[in-house]
Amino acid sequence: NAGVTQTPKFQVLKTGQSMTLQCAQDMNHNSMYWYRQDPGMGLRLIYYSASEGTTDKGEVPNGYNVSRLNKREFSLRLESAAPSQTSVYFCASSTTPDPLYGYTFGSGTRLTVV
Amino acid sequence: DQQVKQNSPSLSVQEGRISILNCDYTNSMFDYFLWYKKYPAEGPTFLISISSIKDKNEDGRFTVFLNKSAKHLSLHIVPSQPGDSAVYFCAASTGTASKLTFGTGTRLQVTL
Repeated sequence: NAGVTQTPKFQVLKTGQSMTLQCAQDMNHNSMYWYRQDPGMGLRLIYYSASEGTTDKGEVPNGYNVSRLNKREFSLRLESAAPSQTSVYFCASSTTPDPLYGYTFGSGTRLTVV
Repeated sequence: DQQVKQNSPSLSVQEGRISILNCDYTNSMFDYFLWYKKYPAEGPTFLISISSIKDKNEDGRFTVFLNKSAKHLSLHIVPSQPGDSAVYFCAASTGTASKLTFGTGTRLQVTL
């Protein structure tokens, strides 16, 4: 019963390097999300995918790109990492548009950009 | 512009007593509200939710209250237990796309 799996769990990048954060869910959920958590800022939505084949910007999309590879997988790419992107990144998924069911979150990727 | 605010960064409560966590919002279009609990090094987990057509929802020791006129919601935990020590986030959505807007979180510590 894996739920939402994020890889890697930890990563250190140098400024200007690129990387892709992977996320996969095994719950047959339609919608997937990427959030970042920063001290004193709560969780802020970067991108989301309401269904397979669609993606939309959230609150803080600059510097990121996403790919909804199939129904299970939703990846987040940093093309040229900056220190301001040091954060904890969470992927989440939800089964229906009904917001009262909430999201299932992964355990996070802690990214440090030096 | 912080549309969902949790003005208390931390709260300490004795075991067995009531914990009350508060959340205010500014967007009158929000009509679904949720609470999440987060332990260190884990992702947030869904706790309880309420829609704007209700003013109270209970689930065991957890009750969420919604005051639409004041744009305020609160989470009551009775009785508080040491395992409740975590960061609690409130979240809100307009319902149409179910995108959640989160507050900044309140760290609850339940002491023995």
